Parts: sequence; structure tokens; C-alpha cells
Amino acid sequence: AQSVTQPDIHITVSEGASLELRCNYSYGATPYLFWYVQSPGQGLQLLLKYFSGDTLVQGIKGFEAEFKRSQSSFNLRKPSVHWSDAAEYFCAVATHYTDKLIFGTGTRLQVFP
Amino acid sequence: EPEVTQTPSHQVTQMGQEVILRCVPISNHLYFYWYRQILGQKVEFLVSFYNNEISEKSEIFDDQFSVERPDGSNFTLKIRSTKLEDSAMYFCASSPTGLMTEAFFGQGTRLTVV
Repeated sequence: AQSVTQPDIHITVSEGASLELRCNYSYGATPYLFWYVQSPGQGLQLLLKYFSGDTLVQGIKGFEAEFKRSQSSFNLRKPSVHWSDAAEYFCAVATHYTDKLIFGTGTRLQVFP
Repeated sequence: EPEVTQTPSHQVTQMGQEVILRCVPISNHLYFYWYRQILGQKVEFLVSFYNNEISEKSEIFDDQFSVERPDGSNFTLKIRSTKLEDSAMYFCASSPTGLMTEAFFGQGTRLTVV
């Protein structure tokens, strides 16, 4: 069965610092991969997605993610974090065979001024 | 930009009562979904719906749950007799093709069962 692991439950960074949120997936073939952000009390906003082509994907709000097949990873990065990036970040996977998303447990990002 | 709209944003109900959560998907979308997120936990798939029938459902989606597309615009999730553990954020999503790469999520309805 497909699964998604986000090993970091909580990350704290200073404003202006770089950020990398880790995501590993388990699936036999190439999955569709997503990163969502959820601000406090808000819904899920899609940051970026990967399903084929260039393994480095650009998203909204200055985020990017890189698909590494050899490591079964899809880590999210941002070169310079802003205070407004404080939120919960969810990695998710979908497959060619099922029309549902499997979410990771999320990483809560805290940003200090 | 088109969006998925959910109402109400927050609903409080007494245990044992029936609740209906409403969603207006994007108008040309054909595939509809409900997910839920219990506070502090991950988002979980509940059910997918296409062509007026359920295409897939999770173990969570038991007989207490039902979905319906009562007219051309709404997509509803009904919980027949709510339990305390049904307290969660419920997200609706829609897709034009059934591919989650093209799906949009609503802002969610926070259900609190007391």
C-alpha cells in the first residue's frame, strides 16, 4: 500500500533562513506527489505538484520541491522563509490507479523574527 | 479563479444528531471527494463520487455516512447519528478528470460534536 512519511513533526527557523521539509513515499511506480499548506484555521492550499517531467518543480509563494526516485523523496524547499510561511505542511501521494490522496502526518513550521 | 465552496464553516451539533455538510464543487468538475482531519492528525480520505455513485470509500466511511448530489450544483456529506469522534475538519474536493493532480479543495467545515 502507498504511504507517506514526514519525519519532522515540528521545525523552527528564523525569518530569512532557508527551509527544507522532508517527505518520503512508498509506492512501486512513480506516483503523483503534492505539497499542501494549511494555515491556522484554514483549508488546504496546493503549493505544488509533480506527476512527470522535470524533477524540480516550482510552486507558489517561492516554494520548490525535487523528486528523487532513487531516494523515494519529494522534499520541499524555500531559500528564504517569511514569517507568513508559518503553517502546517502536508506531503501527499496519489497513484495512477486510485483517485484518492494519501497524506503524511504533516510538519508544523514555526518562524521566528 | 474557480473555487470549491463549503458551508457552514463551523457547525456544532449534539451527539446523536444528524448533520449535513454542504459543498459546491467547481461547475465543470465531475469527480467529488470528502476528506477529514481530526484535530492534530493527518488528513484522511473518506469517499470519492462520480456519475452519481460512490467510486471508492475508506474504512472510516461506514453506514453512518452517506453522500449525495441532490441537484446539479451541491455535493453533501450526511452523518446520520454523530459521535464525539466525528469531530473534525471536513474537506470537500472536486476534479474535472478524476486525477488528483487537477483537484481543488474547499476551505473545510469544522464539525464539533458535543
